Amino acid sequence: GAVVSQHPSWVICKSGTSVKIECRSLDFQATTMFWYRQFPKQSLMLMATSNEGSKATYEQGVEKDKFLINHASLTLSTLTVTSAHPEDSSFYICSARPGKRTSGELFFGEGSRLTVL
Amino acid sequence: AQSVTQPDIHITVSEGASLELRCNYSYGATPYLFWYVQSPGQGLQLLLKYFSGDTLVQGIKGFEAEFKRSQSSFNLRKPSVHWSDAAEYFCAVGPYNNNDMRFGAGTRLTVKP
Repeated sequence: GAVVSQHPSWVICKSGTSVKIECRSLDFQATTMFWYRQFPKQSLMLMATSNEGSKATYEQGVEKDKFLINHASLTLSTLTVTSAHPEDSSFYICSARPGKRTSGELFFGEGSRLTVL
Repeated sequence: AQSVTQPDIHITVSEGASLELRCNYSYGATPYLFWYVQSPGQGLQLLLKYFSGDTLVQGIKGFEAEFKRSQSSFNLRKPSVHWSDAAEYFCAVGPYNNNDMRFGAGTRLTVKP
């Protein structure tokens, strides 16, 4: 099946620094990727939709200047948490759907756990 | 409003017992329905999906789910639970705006020996 990989799996950073998380579709191309945030024992909260070659679409309440998303190619989207603070500590997950499909299952990365000290 | 509800936050079953996890949805048209499983610290793995056709769908790891339009439900079942099934289970419905899907709050499954 389709494989989505995230890197890094774990990252610890100091408050005020920026952290980049990569999401790659390994065996398919994805026009659209999605970024989620998951707090402990809670469901996934959609943060933004990453569109290849164009600006990301952010959900209400998500600061686009803080969570920078770049989808420079059909196999890579990056999420950069800028000027990270302890409240940004969370589990970040990406997903992708093969090709230009607008429905159907999503394939998820393994997740990236961010801890901000 | 469109939503996904998983009424049970936490379920405990004995190994070998049967399992049913509930999922109810509110959607304006015929939805696409999914069940995903998440082990601690991991991403989500698709168990099964329903798009159309036979309302009883078979998935991986011995799971099945039945779409009941009249009840707006898509409950997940397994006849005999294994200890390795302990995980968090999410029901999801789509597509929505931006063609994403929306997830229920999740049900955490604990398996007793």
